[in-house]
Amino acid sequence: NAGVTQTPKFRVLKTGQSMTLLCAQDMNHEYMYWYRQDPGMGLRLIHYSVGEGTTAKGEVPDGYNVSRLKKQNFLLGLESAAPSQTSVYFCASSHRTSGRENTGELFFGEGSRLTVL
Amino acid sequence: GQNIDQPTEMTATEGAIVQINCTYQTSGFNGLFWYQQHAGEAPTFLSYNVLDGLEEKGRFSSFLSRSKGYSYLLLKELQMKDSASYLCAVVDSNYQLIWGAGTKLIIKP
Repeated sequence: NAGVTQTPKFRVLKTGQSMTLLCAQDMNHEYMYWYRQDPGMGLRLIHYSVGEGTTAKGEVPDGYNVSRLKKQNFLLGLESAAPSQTSVYFCASSHRTSGRENTGELFFGEGSRLTVL
Repeated sequence: GQNIDQPTEMTATEGAIVQINCTYQTSGFNGLFWYQQHAGEAPTFLSYNVLDGLEEKGRFSSFLSRSKGYSYLLLKELQMKDSASYLCAVVDSNYQLIWGAGTKLIIKP
């Protein structure tokens, strides 16, 4: 059972280059998220999606774009990378939260370490 | 603003007990999560509290006091594999997760 898979796991970019991070989940989850994790800070939400074809901005959306064309995939794009985007990126998914019986637990991918020079 | 506070780092001895505290100030409350994250790995779910009180799950227990804006994670019979960061996260009134910076727990033999 693969769960949540992210590719690539490591990438080095030069300032101004573009790239796309791919996230795939096989749990039929409705919700998907992209976070970044930086030293000394909590996870920060970049963008999220509550279903196929829908996306929404999180806490730190600037410089990123996303797409959710298929329920199982959530793509994160950097159009023009900047050194401030050097970070570890985590994709996560969860069932739709409804009622107390659903904890809304997040399932995370292994992370993608991005360095922008 | 919304704020989650946790100690940055804690050290404990193998076989002992440790309590990791989390205090929060958020716009509304719809539950609190604890996640474990080993270095270089993804966070994994430990517990979820939405009502006051203690929830026990094996060696790990989580406590919540909504009136005090306070939670703790209690780890008993510490093992070397418990060396990790422990992340506290609160679900606010908009059902958004607010994350603490995490507590790095170091276990010494």
